[in-house]
Amino acid sequence: TQLLEQSPQFLSIQEGENLTVYCNSSSVFSSLQWYRQEPGEGPVLLVTVVTGGEVKKLKRLTFQFGDARKDSSLHITAAQPGDTGLYLCAGLIQGAQKLVFGQGTRLTINP
Amino acid sequence: GAGVSQSPSNKVTEKGKDVELRCDPISGHTALYWYRQSLGQGLEFLIYFQGNSAPDKSGLPSDRFSAERTGGSVSTLTIQRTQQEDSAVYLCASSLFPGRNTEAFFGQGTRLTVV
Repeated sequence: TQLLEQSPQFLSIQEGENLTVYCNSSSVFSSLQWYRQEPGEGPVLLVTVVTGGEVKKLKRLTFQFGDARKDSSLHITAAQPGDTGLYLCAGLIQGAQKLVFGQGTRLTINP
Repeated sequence: GAGVSQSPSNKVTEKGKDVELRCDPISGHTALYWYRQSLGQGLEFLIYFQGNSAPDKSGLPSDRFSAERTGGSVSTLTIQRTQQEDSAVYLCASSLFPGRNTEAFFGQGTRLTVV
């Protein structure tokens, strides 16, 4: 059973379009992180959100943590081919230190 | 070292053999994680070490899997009597301390192929 469900699992869109990736759970997390992974590399942290309702922006990327700290979203505006990669959400389980990951969203931006 | 180092980067082994995968975390990082990633998939939690506390082994898929962390630094993941379904990339990560804002730094992984 996957603790964190990401959707969609695959997304292929044209350059310039907008997209949203979702990360959902029935569990409450102390914090939630988004990582990006390139082929042959380990994941690299993009952002951490810790407060329910928190919104963080990183250039064209907007991250939101749900009010109940059970879900999160990643929105990309005007996607670029350089955004292509595997996007992973990860939650720090409340009361523990275990960092658990979703199954990832493989994003392809076509020129 | 500057980052998390894993060795070997690639390992091909015959079914039934034992393998050891090594992780050198960033110096001073107290937390260390092992994950398994099947082709194109997300990360499956295996085990977590924090300082001198008992490790969280809740993700180990069977008793063929074990891990140690010596001296609070280097960690070794051992898989005994390997099976074809063990083929995956094994990723190690370390973080400075446990906490909500802590960033996990990953190695490049060990690609294990069981033939």
